[in-house]
Amino acid sequence: GQNIDQPTEMTATEGAIVQINCTYQTSGFNGLFWYQQHAGEAPTFLSYNVLDGLEEKGRFSSFLSRSKGYSYLLLKELQMKDSASYLCAVTSNQAGTALIFGKGTTLSVSS
Amino acid sequence: EPEVTQTPSHQVTQMGQEVILRCVPISNHLYFYWYRQILGQKVEFLVSFYNNEISEKSEIFDDQFSVERPDGSNFTLKIRSTKLEDSAMYFCASSEKPGSEAFFGQGTRLTVV
Repeated sequence: GQNIDQPTEMTATEGAIVQINCTYQTSGFNGLFWYQQHAGEAPTFLSYNVLDGLEEKGRFSSFLSRSKGYSYLLLKELQMKDSASYLCAVTSNQAGTALIFGKGTTLSVSS
Repeated sequence: EPEVTQTPSHQVTQMGQEVILRCVPISNHLYFYWYRQILGQKVEFLVSFYNNEISEKSEIFDDQFSVERPDGSNFTLKIRSTKLEDSAMYFCASSEKPGSEAFFGQGTRLTVV
């Protein structure tokens, strides 16, 4: 089977940096995605890692270590609008092109 | 900007009734998906569709579910005999190729009473 773990909740203040961790166990790993989901809305794509290392995209960066089954999403210069759930998802040979999601981390940003 | 569109946005149905949820994927995308999210829970994969056939499906996608691409633009999810536990947000998604980002529609909130 597949297992994806993330912290349930995190809090941070405006302007700060936060790191959201994700660990996964799956066979035939193909790639790892991060999505953002505001309450009552659809998930929106943030980043994709298939090789080890850091991918940077503006205020958001994502890191992957395939040997450790570990990823993190780094959010810099936090803004109130970053309050949302952050979903870690993997694709693998087991599920083809389908995204298998973790339970998500709810981030609350306060002023 | 191209987007995935879903109709209706809300659907209330009585237990045992059939429902059809509709989606228009992004026009040049080849891979289509249905996911569901029960309130307060994680997004769960239901089924993927490529080249006019199901490519993968989860354990949730049992005989009461079916998908269809009736024409060149629509992609539908049918639930034959709805149960209370089918109440959820259903998201359609599409992607251009394997490993590329999936774009999600705004979802259909299904309530079974």
